[in-house]
Amino acid sequence: NAGVTQTPKFRVLKTGQSMTLLCAQDMNHEYMYWYRQDPGMGLRLIHYSVGEGTTAKGEVPDGYNVSRLKKQNFLLGLESAAPSQTSVYFCASSYQRLAGGRTDTQYFGPGTRLTVL
Amino acid sequence: DQQVKQNSPSLSVQEGRISILNCDYTNSMFDYFLWYKKYPAEGPTFLISISSIKDKNEDGRFTVFLNKSAKHLSLHIVPSQPGDSAVYFCAARGFNTGTASKLTFGTGTRLQVTL
Repeated sequence: NAGVTQTPKFRVLKTGQSMTLLCAQDMNHEYMYWYRQDPGMGLRLIHYSVGEGTTAKGEVPDGYNVSRLKKQNFLLGLESAAPSQTSVYFCASSYQRLAGGRTDTQYFGPGTRLTVL
Repeated sequence: DQQVKQNSPSLSVQEGRISILNCDYTNSMFDYFLWYKKYPAEGPTFLISISSIKDKNEDGRFTVFLNKSAKHLSLHIVPSQPGDSAVYFCAARGFNTGTASKLTFGTGTRLQVTL
C-alpha cells in the first residue's frame, strides 16, 4: 500500500515549457486535490476532483489544467510555465464523506518541487 | 485575505515540556478543524482534528482546544519529544462547501524540540 505517490519529485522548466505532474493513490479514494505551497502562504488549493471524470477549480486555478480519467490518478498540467509557478506541489486524496459523518482527513503525497526559470 | 492564521512562524521548546501551537480564523462558517504535521521533503500528515461542536479533542500526547467565540484553536503537545520537530499546519473546512473536503490552511509553525 503505497498511499499517495507523485511523479516527478523534482523538475526544472524554462518559461513557456509545458509539463504534467502525475498523482496516483491506491486507497480507492473518491476525492483528489492539487495544492501548491509557497513560503509564507501555506497550502493553497489549485484544483480538485470529486470522482472519476469530474474536476473543479480551487482557490488558485489560473495557469493549470487537470484531468481525472481514472479514479486512482489525478494529473496536473502546466501548458505554458511561468516563473510564478515555481513552487512545491502536493497531491492529496480523501474518502467520500460518509452519511451523517465527516471524512475530511486528506492524505498527502511527498510533493513535487518545480522550478521555472 | 488569510482566513486561517498562524501568527508564530517558529517555536522552540525543550524536550519534556509542553508545546502550544496557536491558530486563529476569521470565517465563522468554518466548522471542522485539523492539524497536519510536515517533515522536510515529505507531504503533510494528519495529526488530529476537532469539530466545532466540541471544545477539546485528545489523542495521546496531542490535544486540540477550540474556542469558537474567540475563533481560536490551539494544539498542545505534552510531553514534547525531539521527533515532534516539524512544521505544523492548521486547516479549516467550511460548512456547506459541497461534497469535497476543501480545506483552508494556515501558513504553518515550525516547532523545534531541543534536548
